[in-house]
Order: sequence, then C-alpha cells, then structure tokens
Amino acid sequence: GAVVSQHPSRVICKSGTSVKIECRSLDFQATTMFWYRQFPKKSLMLMATSNEGSKATYEQGVEKDKFLINHASLTLSTLTVTSAHPEDSSFYICSARDPRIAGDRTYEQYFGPGTRLTVT
Amino acid sequence: AQKITQTQPGMFVQEKEAVTLDCTYDTSDPSYGLFWYKQPSSGEMIFLIYQGSYDQQNATEGRYSLNFQKARKSANLVISASQLGDSAMYFCAMARGAGGTSYGKLTFGQGTILTVHP
Repeated sequence: GAVVSQHPSRVICKSGTSVKIECRSLDFQATTMFWYRQFPKKSLMLMATSNEGSKATYEQGVEKDKFLINHASLTLSTLTVTSAHPEDSSFYICSARDPRIAGDRTYEQYFGPGTRLTVT
Repeated sequence: AQKITQTQPGMFVQEKEAVTLDCTYDTSDPSYGLFWYKQPSSGEMIFLIYQGSYDQQNATEGRYSLNFQKARKSANLVISASQLGDSAMYFCAMARGAGGTSYGKLTFGQGTILTVHP
C-alpha cells in the first residue's frame, strides 16, 4: 500500500516558539492531505484539509493563524504550530488520499506514523 | 452531520476467542465508506478493513470481518482467534461520499480499547 511519512516523530519545544511538522507521501502524489489531532486515549479530531496549490480548509474551532498548513507540492504538506503553548501538546497525525485509487476504495486514507509534540 | 458511535470504551477477550467491537453510524449520504483502524501504543493508525455503502457482501480481511447491517446503520468489527498482539485501541470511521467540500473526510468514533488476555 501507499506510504506516508512524518517528521519529526517527536519534538519538544519551549512555550512561545514555533514548530513545523512535515507530512510526505513517499510513493504517490497526494493532491489532498488531512491533519488530525489526538489527545491521549481519545479519538482523532480532523483539524484541516490540505489541498495542493490552494489554501487549507480548516474545521470549525481550529485557529488558522495558530496552525499554519502549507501544501506546496504533491508530496509534501506541512503543519506549523505557531507560538506554541503547553495546551498545544498533543499527537498530530497526517493522512493522504491516493488519487489513483478509484471505485470502492476511493475514500481510503493512508496515515503517517504521527508526531508527538510536547510544549514546555 | 455525520456521527460515529462506539459504545464500548474497553473490551476484554481471551486469547484465541472471537470478539465483536460495536460501531453505529448516522448519515444522510447515500454513498459513504466505513473503515476500521487499529492503533497500538506506538500511535500509528493501521488499516484493517473497509466496507462501501453499496457493497452487498460483508467485507473480510484475514481474521477481520465487518458485520454490515445497513438498515440498522451498524458496522461491527469481528476479530476471530484473538492474539495477544491484537491488544490496542480500535477506531471505527466513516468517509463522506462524492460531492461537496466534505468529500473523503473521515469522522472517527470514540474508540474501543481491546485487551487480549493469555
């Protein structure tokens, strides 16, 4: 199946700094990528949909200026957490759809391994 | 709006036994996809099984099968012959059908923590 990578896997940053998380599709071109946030033992909450070459679409309640998403190429989307605070500490996961897949499996998303962010 | 409900916060099963994880959904879309994912403590999301809304037969993937009851809007996951390595969090998810800005977005249930006892 398709492979999605994330970097870094873990990051610790100080309060007030910014941190960038990368999501890459390794063996396919992803026109659409999704960013999720997950708190411990909780469900995944969709933050935004990232489309190559256009502005990201944010879910209700997600601060656009705090969580900057850039989908500059067909294989890379980045999430930048700006002016991070301890409450931004969480597990961030990206996923991507493979546009080559049609028919029954067209909705399938491939997930990255996640990034654990700790803000001190 | 779409909604996925998993009513079992935790489930326990004996090794080699079968277990059913419940999932109900609510949507007004005629076309949608249903997924089950496994998330071990490492955090990665592992795809288990998929069921399309128009599929006539229940999906099966090895030891996993999806009991799809469209009229009841349920999509329960059945794991046969449980193994110790099956201990993890399990999520049911639904993707919206074609058309509209929400196409392909996944809505997740609350998750069920499965513990397999030796």
